[in-house]
Amino acid sequence: DTGVSQDPRHKITKRGQNVTFRCDPISEHNRLYWYRQTLGQGPEFLTYFQNEAQLEKSRLLSDRFSAERPKGSFSTLEIQRTEQGDSAMYLCASLGVGETQYFGPGTRLLVL
Amino acid sequence: AQTVTQSQPEMSVQEAETVTLSCTYDTSESNYYLFWYKQPPSRQMILVIRQEAYKQQNATENRFSVNFQKAAKSFSLKISDSQLGDTAMYFCVFMNSNSGYALNFGKGTSLLVTP
Repeated sequence: DTGVSQDPRHKITKRGQNVTFRCDPISEHNRLYWYRQTLGQGPEFLTYFQNEAQLEKSRLLSDRFSAERPKGSFSTLEIQRTEQGDSAMYLCASLGVGETQYFGPGTRLLVL
Repeated sequence: AQTVTQSQPEMSVQEAETVTLSCTYDTSESNYYLFWYKQPPSRQMILVIRQEAYKQQNATENRFSVNFQKAAKSFSLKISDSQLGDTAMYFCVFMNSNSGYALNFGKGTSLLVTP
């Protein structure tokens, strides 16, 4: 069991640039979730996948945010035209036995 | 929509002592799950303990136990024999199937264990 991995761990970008984050879930987990965590707050849910199907995306923060999981394995989260308010930790989790979510280490984004 | 409230932003406890973190939630659902997750400084989120709402028995995991009061919609975490490694942010979390098992987090309680 290698756990959930995320890449990159840190990203610094300039306002207006596009960024893409990757998440590799635990291999046998079919459901994958994305969350955003701002400083001093609990994570907020963004979107989730069951295999390659994106079953909920209404909670994505704006149309600049999109996510994919094309082959039902890894997932990507893209933010277009980044803004300073997008600076946050982006967390990925996969759903295992007992409806328990296992989290990756997160990608910390800083938009200058 | 479900809300999760953690009324203690910060707490401190001495090593080997016991501390209780409070959590209340609001839902109209009858079937759901509750969790406590721990997020140590600069480290990833890990599960501490889980409780299924249909189970009356309070969950226990080694030094961690919960007091689940379904009617009062209360879910507190007790940490016994606190250790320095327990220093972390603790999140109370609600989940049910209606939201696709997405997690709904409280704002967290920052716990500091002192020598």
